Amino acid sequence: ETGVTQTPRHLVMGMTNKKSLKCEQHLGHNAMYWYKQSAKKPLELMFVYNFKEQTENNSVPSRFSPECPNSSHLFLHLHTLQPEDSALYLCASSQRGGLGTEAFFGQGTRLTVV
Amino acid sequence: DAKTTQPPSMDCAEGRAANLPCNHSTISGNEYVYWYRQIHSQGPQYIIHGLKNNETNEMASLIITEDRKSSTLILPHATLRDTAVYYCIAPSLIQGAQKLVFGQGTRLTINP
Repeated sequence: ETGVTQTPRHLVMGMTNKKSLKCEQHLGHNAMYWYKQSAKKPLELMFVYNFKEQTENNSVPSRFSPECPNSSHLFLHLHTLQPEDSALYLCASSQRGGLGTEAFFGQGTRLTVV
Repeated sequence: DAKTTQPPSMDCAEGRAANLPCNHSTISGNEYVYWYRQIHSQGPQYIIHGLKNNETNEMASLIITEDRKSSTLILPHATLRDTAVYYCIAPSLIQGAQKLVFGQGTRLTINP
């Protein structure tokens, strides 16, 4: 248990569906991240939020829409996804303010697009 | 981020020390070296980090060379549960938040 909780753990959705992934942390962290991990590939950084402000969008397609209403919650809204978007989506959080603080990861949401 | 280079895979016998190397020759003076691991299909787990000095915690030891161009993660008594992909990262900052970029890592297999 890392203190970072992701829901749902598994999600199957059709290409025309709209769904949302949720990430929650009560560690007092103020930086939150979304990563994508496709099969047998390294983690790809998607978005970084700092005090609710998006500071990094790593050329992610607009069918992925992040939302950070407060420092404890992070959402990833999904719409009109493609089968190649099937992957493990991981959320992480860390304390802003320096390079000497570790990140904590959730267990991920396994997404399958059919 | 400073680029890091790790061997793609390593094997180690159970009960022995596992020594995982990492090269980071372009690391800048204020960038830490972090190690994470990912056990199959789980979220990455933080192991240890350091700047200049060697570090030790309950999980591992981190040895950083004096010129900071390379480091070694040591798991002193490897168990089967240590089988995982190990990532060496030297994150930079984006407006105060760490930018953790993961490479391919080293797939460590602990053999009975």
